[in-house]
Amino acid sequence: DTGVSQDPRHKITKRGQNVTFRCDPISEHNRLYWYRQTLGQGPEFLTYFQNEAQLEKSRLLSDRFSAERPKGSFSTLEIQRTEQGDSAMYLCASSHGTSGSTDTQYFGPGTRLTVL
Amino acid sequence: GESVGLHLPTLSVQEGDNSIINCAYSNSASDYFIWYKQESGKGPQFIIDIRSNMDKRQGQRVTVLLNKTVKHLSLQIAATQPGDSAVYFCAEPGGGNNRLAFGKGNQVVVIP
Repeated sequence: DTGVSQDPRHKITKRGQNVTFRCDPISEHNRLYWYRQTLGQGPEFLTYFQNEAQLEKSRLLSDRFSAERPKGSFSTLEIQRTEQGDSAMYLCASSHGTSGSTDTQYFGPGTRLTVL
Repeated sequence: GESVGLHLPTLSVQEGDNSIINCAYSNSASDYFIWYKQESGKGPQFIIDIRSNMDKRQGQRVTVLLNKTVKHLSLQIAATQPGDSAVYFCAEPGGGNNRLAFGKGNQVVVIP
């Protein structure tokens, strides 16, 4: 499968714990995105990378959230001191982008986080 | 923004009939629109996209229509199949070119 992959698919954690999710984009896609989706809602943008540079962050990305893409390939999203309100599906997407255009973003299967 | 509860607009359609899903977008400057299909427990799956210089685009069994005058987008699915049962989202650029803003989902339920 050459699509976007995410790991783990499910994560249950206790409030206050830290969690880290991984996303592997489609090979050679230079852009990578993180979104969050709660039940009954559409995905909400969190952050965006072009290669290894994090170029945009949403106000939804509080200081407990950090994302990295150290080598411009896979990315990690870490949530520190998790809260029950962090429970959601965390989606990763990737695209092959060119300057000034909006690209087609292809999504992974998501990581479902449950904070107890 | 407007809050959306757990209840999604639902379209029930008989297998073999055509489905039409509508979406109103907010930004008259948007130049690109995408339809995604999301099955339960899965990530959104790209279906079809359209640029603002077009008013119609066809794919396999799907057609997207764009009416810029009234900021309206629709997705038509021909000969709906049970595998088409899912939530469908329209999306547009949400500020810059690098984020998508998703509309309210529409649930399609195909009755065999």
